Amino acid sequence: KQEVTQIPAALSVPEGENLVLNCSFTDSAIYNLQWFRQDPGKGLTSLLLIQSSQREQTSGRLNASLDKSSGRSTLYIAASQPGDSATYLCAVDTGGFKTIFGAGTRLFVKA
Amino acid sequence: DADVTQTPRNRITKTGKRIMLECSQTKGHDRMYWYRQDPGLGLRLIYYSFDVKDINKGEISDGYSVSRQAQAKFSLSLESAIPNQTALYFCATRGPTGTNYGYTFGSGTRLTVV
Repeated sequence: KQEVTQIPAALSVPEGENLVLNCSFTDSAIYNLQWFRQDPGKGLTSLLLIQSSQREQTSGRLNASLDKSSGRSTLYIAASQPGDSATYLCAVDTGGFKTIFGAGTRLFVKA
Repeated sequence: DADVTQTPRNRITKTGKRIMLECSQTKGHDRMYWYRQDPGLGLRLIYYSFDVKDINKGEISDGYSVSRQAQAKFSLSLESAIPNQTALYFCATRGPTGTNYGYTFGSGTRLTVV
């Protein structure tokens, strides 16, 4: 059974710091992996989607990597800003209808 | 207008009441989903639909039902609401396999059952 874990559950960093958020999954047979941002009481906004054949995807200050063999993905945020404060979730698509979501990492960037 | 619109945004209802959450999307996708989010947990799938005539149960469908009125509309009903159905509910859509396969979510409905 696929499980998706995000550690730590919460993270606080000073503004300007580069940071890495982690996502691990137990079964390497995935179709793709998606990173989302969720603001309090709001919906999920898609940040990056990495297909299983890809190693990384980049968008602006965000870079997501995927290592299926080790069951890991990381989301790198460069030069963090207070506006980056949110909860970041990863989700693994196992094909068919099944998508497994992590519980998220709550990020707070201090000004 | 948002790509995925959910109504209402917030709702407080009493135990035993029937309630419907509505969702519409303008992405033109066939696949639509209802998820539930509880604090500290990942999203869990309630129902999903791959087209108007195809509706399937997810992992936590008990106590819920759905209706796919059109390609763009997918509603979720709680037949007799109970307090442990208090949660944040999300509707989502996604495109066919390929580059548009990522999810697009609505803003959510915060439901409180008292």
